[in-house]
Amino acid sequence: GAGVSQSPSNKVTEKGKDVELRCDPISGHTALYWYRQSLGQGLEFLIYFQGNSAPDKSGLPSDRFSAERTGGSVSTLTIQRTQQEDSAVYLCASSFASTNEQYFGPGTRLTVT
Amino acid sequence: GDSVTQMEGPVTLSEEAFLTINCTYTATGYPSLFWYVQYPGEGLQLLLKATKADDKGSNKGFEATYRKETTSFHLEKGSVQVSDSAVYFCALTPGGGATNKLIFGTGTLLAVQP
Repeated sequence: GAGVSQSPSNKVTEKGKDVELRCDPISGHTALYWYRQSLGQGLEFLIYFQGNSAPDKSGLPSDRFSAERTGGSVSTLTIQRTQQEDSAVYLCASSFASTNEQYFGPGTRLTVT
Repeated sequence: GDSVTQMEGPVTLSEEAFLTINCTYTATGYPSLFWYVQYPGEGLQLLLKATKADDKGSNKGFEATYRKETTSFHLEKGSVQVSDSAVYFCALTPGGGATNKLIFGTGTLLAVQP
């Protein structure tokens, strides 16, 4: 079956611009996660959605970062006023609520110039 | 807070050699433990997991045993192949009903030479 998909695969943006990254989880997975992979910081948790519960935003690095999940499926991660340190690969993962096996998408490589 | 420490790479081995990648963790509860693998140009894939003490996870010839007494989850394979060349990440999810966010180690690059 279809895995987690993310778009775009690559995004180059100028410093100060806003960007939106999209994630389509595996059908039936109610849990959705965003992570960031960068050379300096490794793999970091950003935010977690589970069903209709309030999201766990504890990993978001600043208030320039926000995420939504509409209809319990597709999620969008928004970064406002991008900075060069936001350059990284942004990974989305999903899982069933009853397990902690997370399946990752291919990621979006964000480059801020 | 909870954390994962894994051995620095890169690890370079010849084909058919024995592999060990060390991983230790710090956790306040009863975490689940994972190894993820990232092949060149590909996304993260779950390799194996263990959810309680003394459990052994295994997949594709790789094994790791959840050792509570030493807080370790070392990855082993008896005979590596060139196709095993990848970056390996040890990770945990905290126990106790908290968010199942993954906490990762820094990753270990494995290069297997023919």
